Amino acid sequence: GAVVSQHPSWVICKSGTSVKIECRSLDFQATTMFWYRQFPKQSLMLMATSNEGSKATYEQGVEKDKFLINHASLTLSTLTVTSAHPEDSSFYICSASDQDTQYFGPGTRLTVL
Amino acid sequence: KQEVTQIPAALSVPEGENLVLNCSFTDSAIYNLQWFRQDPGKGLTSLLLIQSSQREQTSGRLNASLDKSSGRSTLYIAASQPGDSATYLCAVSRSNDYKLSFGAGTTVTVRA
Repeated sequence: GAVVSQHPSWVICKSGTSVKIECRSLDFQATTMFWYRQFPKQSLMLMATSNEGSKATYEQGVEKDKFLINHASLTLSTLTVTSAHPEDSSFYICSASDQDTQYFGPGTRLTVL
Repeated sequence: KQEVTQIPAALSVPEGENLVLNCSFTDSAIYNLQWFRQDPGKGLTSLLLIQSSQREQTSGRLNASLDKSSGRSTLYIAASQPGDSATYLCAVSRSNDYKLSFGAGTTVTVRA
């Protein structure tokens, strides 16, 4: 089946710094990618929909200036957490869709000290 | 807003027992429903996808049913094995835009 990768798999950073997470579809082109956030013992919450060549669509309550999304090509979307704070520590998962199915990446564990 | 609930939150069974995981959703106007498996600290693996027009899907020891009118789905895992230990997530989509609303999951432990 199709493969979606994320990089890095984990990252630890200091409060106030920015962190970039990459999501790649390795063997298919994805016009749409999604970014989710998952806190411990909680479900995945959709943050935003990333469309190639256009601005991302953010879910209610998600700050677009804090979580910058760029979908530069049909195989790459990036999420940048700007001025990260400890409350941004979470598990970030992306997914990419082909025409029929949504495939999930392995996730990125972000810890902000 | 779609609310997805999974009961129980955790389940522990001896090897060989059948597992029954429940999922309920508040808005019956769904496009499809999926069951995923998530291992600790890992991403999601899709197990079964049921279209809104379907009543069930089967894959090996897994069977998922869908009753859209009552807003319920059940995942059955037959003859459980220790390797089935994981968190199982239910998710529904409202349209073909692929946006998913997830439940909080049921964490399953199968004891050898």
